Amino acid sequence: GENVEQHPSTLSVQEGDSAVIKCTYSDSASNYFPWYKQELGKRPQLIIDIRSNVGEKKDQRIAVTLNKTAKHFSLHITETQPEDSAVYFCAASIDDMRFGAGTRLTVKP
Amino acid sequence: ETGVTQTPRHLVMGMTNKKSLKCEQHLGHNAMYWYKQSAKKPLELMFVYNFKEQTENNSVPSRFSPECPNSSHLFLHLHTLQPEDSALYLCASSRLWREGGGELFFGEGSRLTVL
Repeated sequence: GENVEQHPSTLSVQEGDSAVIKCTYSDSASNYFPWYKQELGKRPQLIIDIRSNVGEKKDQRIAVTLNKTAKHFSLHITETQPEDSAVYFCAASIDDMRFGAGTRLTVKP
Repeated sequence: ETGVTQTPRHLVMGMTNKKSLKCEQHLGHNAMYWYKQSAKKPLELMFVYNFKEQTENNSVPSRFSPECPNSSHLFLHLHTLQPEDSALYLCASSRLWREGGGELFFGEGSRLTVL
């Protein structure tokens, strides 16, 4: 089945800096790659997603890039703010969603 | 409020108890899921139901027994659990199961502690 690796497990940045989280997946048939944000004590929520026919997608300060050949995709957050502090999960999906282990992002004011 | 409601939010049980977790979605979705979330581990897919039919049992021990009476309700029956089963159990739903079914909508989770 699909195996998703996510790095780093923790990331600390200064407010205003950029943050990058990277994921790799094993099954080349995966065609859907979402990113979820989970704030402390809350449910995971989708923040951005990309499908395999697209190389990059942006939504304001958040962008995701996909390299199908290398089987990796990344989340980029620019101009980070304290409210970006959370755990971020990547996932890859053919039928079922398989998640990475998560990255705890801390944005220091 | 995402339209997926889980009860109870917190549950403490002994290893010999029988309890159930409940999930209800008001989004008209056709697929429902149980995930287990443990500290520093990926979200683990446990069960998938598509149009009330179980499509996946991800090698989950039989002490966890799912039930899906209709597309809006999903239960997880718990029996003779072990302390290592303590975790946050998340229910989710999506419009479709296959074809990269799209966004998962999660409930708030049921925090389970097994003594």
